[in-house]
Amino acid sequence: EDKVVQSPLSLVVHEGDTVTLNCSYEVTNFRSLLWYKQEKKAPTFLFMLTSSGIEKKSGRLSSILDKKELFSILNITATQTGDSAVYLCAVRGASKLTFGTGTRLQVTL
Amino acid sequence: GAVVSQHPSRVICKSGTSVKIECRSLDFQATTMFWYRQFPKQSLMLMATSNEGSKATYEQGVEKDKFLINHASLTLSTLTVTSAHPEDSSFYICSARRDENTEAFFGQGTRLTVV
Repeated sequence: EDKVVQSPLSLVVHEGDTVTLNCSYEVTNFRSLLWYKQEKKAPTFLFMLTSSGIEKKSGRLSSILDKKELFSILNITATQTGDSAVYLCAVRGASKLTFGTGTRLQVTL
Repeated sequence: GAVVSQHPSRVICKSGTSVKIECRSLDFQATTMFWYRQFPKQSLMLMATSNEGSKATYEQGVEKDKFLINHASLTLSTLTVTSAHPEDSSFYICSARRDENTEAFFGQGTRLTVV
């Protein structure tokens, strides 16, 4: 059965800090790894990663995938209170997307 | 990004009644739609995968007679919770994707409360 494990489960940081969120996986027929941000409602898409070693960046967020070690990290630099959310990692296997339990990030002033 | 609209966003129903939730892809044709359920502070659990024009594939432990899924067109899928009970109260989210090589976009979710 496909499995996605995220760490830490929750994190509290001060505004301006840099955070790294981790995602490790075991999946049959890996196709892609996706990161989502979920605030109060449905998840919003952040990144899709398919190749090892290629960093994807969007503003203060960046992510990279290591297909040999089966993990990905999501970095957020200069965090802001608006970054407070649950960050979900999902891995697409042969037929479906399997989600991790998420990392709950709280950014305080 | 692509737009997926889910309706209603919130519904309260009486125990024993049925509720239908719609998921529409507004600006693309979705060959596959997914239905998830999310309990408070937990991750999304896939309930079923539906491909247009064929029967949905349900995940283990999901009752297909209770959660009826219809994907009659490339832009619409519906989830009907039949004979709802309080334990069915949850946040239901759909997602849709064009094809296997594109990411899935999520609807806004539906918070179902069964009283």
